[in-house]
Amino acid sequence: SQTIHQWPATLVQPVGSPLSLECTVEGTSNPNLYWYRQAAGRGLQLLFYSVGIGQISSEVPQNLSASRPQDRQFILSSKKLLLSDSGFYLCAWSGYYEQFFGPGTRLTVL
Amino acid sequence: DQQVKQNSPSLSVQEGRISILNCDYTNSMFDYFLWYKKYPAEGPTFLISISSIKDKNEDGRFTVFLNKSAKHLSLHIVPSQPGDSAVYFCAAIAARGNEKLTFGTGTRLTIIP
Repeated sequence: SQTIHQWPATLVQPVGSPLSLECTVEGTSNPNLYWYRQAAGRGLQLLFYSVGIGQISSEVPQNLSASRPQDRQFILSSKKLLLSDSGFYLCAWSGYYEQFFGPGTRLTVL
Repeated sequence: DQQVKQNSPSLSVQEGRISILNCDYTNSMFDYFLWYKKYPAEGPTFLISISSIKDKNEDGRFTVFLNKSAKHLSLHIVPSQPGDSAVYFCAAIAARGNEKLTFGTGTRLTIIP
């Protein structure tokens, strides 16, 4: 069966510091992978998606970036965090149409 | 442009009664629709889906109805249970050549014991 892992579960970072969130998927090959953010009281905002290694599509302009160095690994990064980057970050992989989400990372930027 | 809308941010329902969550969409290219349930500090979990070739799909206590002409879908939960208290997101996809789900903003359902 497929499983998706995200770490860390929670993170508190100062403004201006770098960020690296990691997501890995097990039990499937060549999945489509996604990064979402849920800000407080808001819906799910798609940030990036990837259909293969090295292939990244960005949905919104921001100071975040994503990379896919391996088939089942998806990384969300920032060189300098902003206060507005606080939120709940979710990684997902897609089956046929359904997407399956990881447990999420709560990021607080102070 | 919010292509998938959940106009009720919250809903309270008595335990044992029916919960009805609504969702509207504007993009006529959407042809597959999904509902997700999300507890605080957890990732959303897939609940139920429906293809545009159907108008109803049922799974246990959960039924999704699709009205294509009105571009409206709804999720019925009956009977409602305390464990159903969560945020529910509807999502849609234009399945041909599109890998992206478009999510609504969610409805917080509270089941009152």
